[in-house]
Amino acid sequence: KQEVTQIPAALSVPEGENLVLNCSFTDSAIYNLQWFRQDPGKGLTSLLLIQSSQREQTSGRLNASLDKSSGRSTLYIAASQPGDSATYLCAVTKQGAQKLVFGQGTRLTINP
Amino acid sequence: EADIYQTPRYLVIGTGKKITLECSQTMGHDKMYWYQQDPGMELHLIHYSYGVNSTEKGDLSSESTVSRIRTEHFPLTLESARPSHTSQYLCASSRTEFEKLFFGSGTQLSVL
Repeated sequence: KQEVTQIPAALSVPEGENLVLNCSFTDSAIYNLQWFRQDPGKGLTSLLLIQSSQREQTSGRLNASLDKSSGRSTLYIAASQPGDSATYLCAVTKQGAQKLVFGQGTRLTINP
Repeated sequence: EADIYQTPRYLVIGTGKKITLECSQTMGHDKMYWYQQDPGMELHLIHYSYGVNSTEKGDLSSESTVSRIRTEHFPLTLESARPSHTSQYLCASSRTEFEKLFFGSGTQLSVL
């Protein structure tokens, strides 16, 4: 069974810092990995999608990496801003299952 | 920008009532999903559909039912709501199961 773990569960940093969020998964047989952002009481917004053949994806101040063999992904946020405060979730699409398995998320707070 | 809509946004009802949560998307996506999320917890897949007249149960057992009579519409029904059904319900869609997942804003259901 595919399990997805995100550490830490919560993170608080001052504005302007660069930070890294971590995601690990137990089964390396995946099609892709997605990072999402969720604001309180809202739905999820897809930030980045990395196919299993890719090593990283970038969008603005966000960079996501994927190391399939070790079952790890990181989301790097550069020059953090208070508007980045949200819960960040990663999810993998397991081969053969064709459905996403989500981690519990990291709740990020950027302090002005 | 995602075009997937959920109504109502919030719903407070009494035990035993029948309810239908609406989800519609205008992107022509074949794949649609319903997730359940409790506060601070991960998302659990409760139903999915790969096209018209196709529905499957997800990983988390749910007393709800779904239908997919039209591509754009994927409603979820609870025949007799109970307090244990109190949760946030999130609808999502994607063009294929390997591409970005787009979420609606969710329905926060409270059963008294």
